Amino acid sequence: GQQLNQSPQSMFIQEGEDVSMNCTSSSIFNTWLWYKQEPGEGPVLLIALYKAGELTSNGRLTAQFGITRKDSFLNISASIPSDVGIYFCAGHHHFNAGNNRKLIWGLGTSLAVNP
Amino acid sequence: NAGVTQTPKFQVLKTGQSMTLQCAQDMNHEYMSWYRQDPGMGLRLIHYSVGAGITDQGEVPNGYNVSRSTTEDFPLRLLSAAPSQTSVYFCASRFKARADTQYFGPGTRLTVL
Repeated sequence: GQQLNQSPQSMFIQEGEDVSMNCTSSSIFNTWLWYKQEPGEGPVLLIALYKAGELTSNGRLTAQFGITRKDSFLNISASIPSDVGIYFCAGHHHFNAGNNRKLIWGLGTSLAVNP
Repeated sequence: NAGVTQTPKFQVLKTGQSMTLQCAQDMNHEYMSWYRQDPGMGLRLIHYSVGAGITDQGEVPNGYNVSRSTTEDFPLRLLSAAPSQTSVYFCASRFKARADTQYFGPGTRLTVL
């Protein structure tokens, strides 16, 4: 099945550094979602984006819906050790409407933070 | 609310054995789904259900059966386990009208020898 292109695949950073990751698609999306998965747990929704250009924050996390509708970005400022985990992007194609529309997932960005 | 619960947390099977992975949610969500997560493959949809008595196939349904007799429960059955089914399985649920807000269970790590 189709997947989103998510990069980087992994990051190893020092505590206090800012983090940026992105997700791209060859087709237009109506919704962009960012999830975090901690070790041994299921993914948890961090931020949902619904229109082109939208910029939304959740604490130290900020995500943007790209103006082309084919990409999205997630930034984490002043990283801390509990930011460790895998960050997934996901979204809905513009042509996939209705309540049963399925999510398209990226492969994740694995983040490690050195205290 | 307990949210989405899954049992067992870990399971080891031999090839050919059968088992059922349990999933329950107490949020009155109409929509429930099963995913498998494999290294380098991300999350792949196995089966989903939009309500009691209604199920449909996802991206990778072969080797798995599901049923939905109640709103709360959505078990996943492996009739004859194969090593290719070694994976981490996640159950998720949401309100049917909120495709953007999905809640995941903690996962079941399955190893098939």
